[in-house]
Amino acid sequence: DGGITQSPKYLFRKEGQNVTLSCEQNLNHDAMYWYRQDPGQGLRLIYYSQIVNDFQKGDIAEGYSVSREKKESFPLTVTSAQKNPTAFYLCASRLSGSGETQYFGPGTRLLVL
Amino acid sequence: SQQGEEDPQALSIQEGENATMNCSYKTSINNLQWYRQNSGRGLVHLILIRSNEREKHSGRLRVTLDTSKKSSSLLITASRAADTASYFCACSNDYKLSFGAGTTVTVRA
Repeated sequence: DGGITQSPKYLFRKEGQNVTLSCEQNLNHDAMYWYRQDPGQGLRLIYYSQIVNDFQKGDIAEGYSVSREKKESFPLTVTSAQKNPTAFYLCASRLSGSGETQYFGPGTRLLVL
Repeated sequence: SQQGEEDPQALSIQEGENATMNCSYKTSINNLQWYRQNSGRGLVHLILIRSNEREKHSGRLRVTLDTSKKSSSLLITASRAADTASYFCACSNDYKLSFGAGTTVTVRA
């Protein structure tokens, strides 16, 4: 059963704490993306990776970090420097040369305690 | 930066009616895509139209693209309750997508 999984579904962060959101795909896709969605708004790009061991900042990278050590995994860390982390986080992947369609995971909702 | 802007923000229709939503964008694109999001879920790709195409169909969906006006429209015909969702246009350039704020469609039974 192929697809993209994100865990956990809900995540709580205390002030000053770093938290890591997991994104795994078994679609053999080369590119992976992280987006943030705030209520009533569209998605904003945080980071993306076109290939293993390489990634680029998106439009709102401040306060976030990523790694891409394996093709199937692209974890996102929300650091304490991100002052307003409460949001819905979506991970997506894309097969190179596929016409740029992205496939999305189910999302992780991050809440600050 | 959000390039696509959808209009209207919200739409309520009766089951069986058609739903039309529009998307405007600012800069040149490789293609434009439409996605659907059910409440609290991930996005699902609906249809992609390339910059050299003017119209595309997929089942009950019809998408148009006018690059001279930098606009696109999505028509859902014969709507069903299951079409209740938010719909987003996404402008594609350099392998990145730029999303609008979406149109929330409610289909009443």
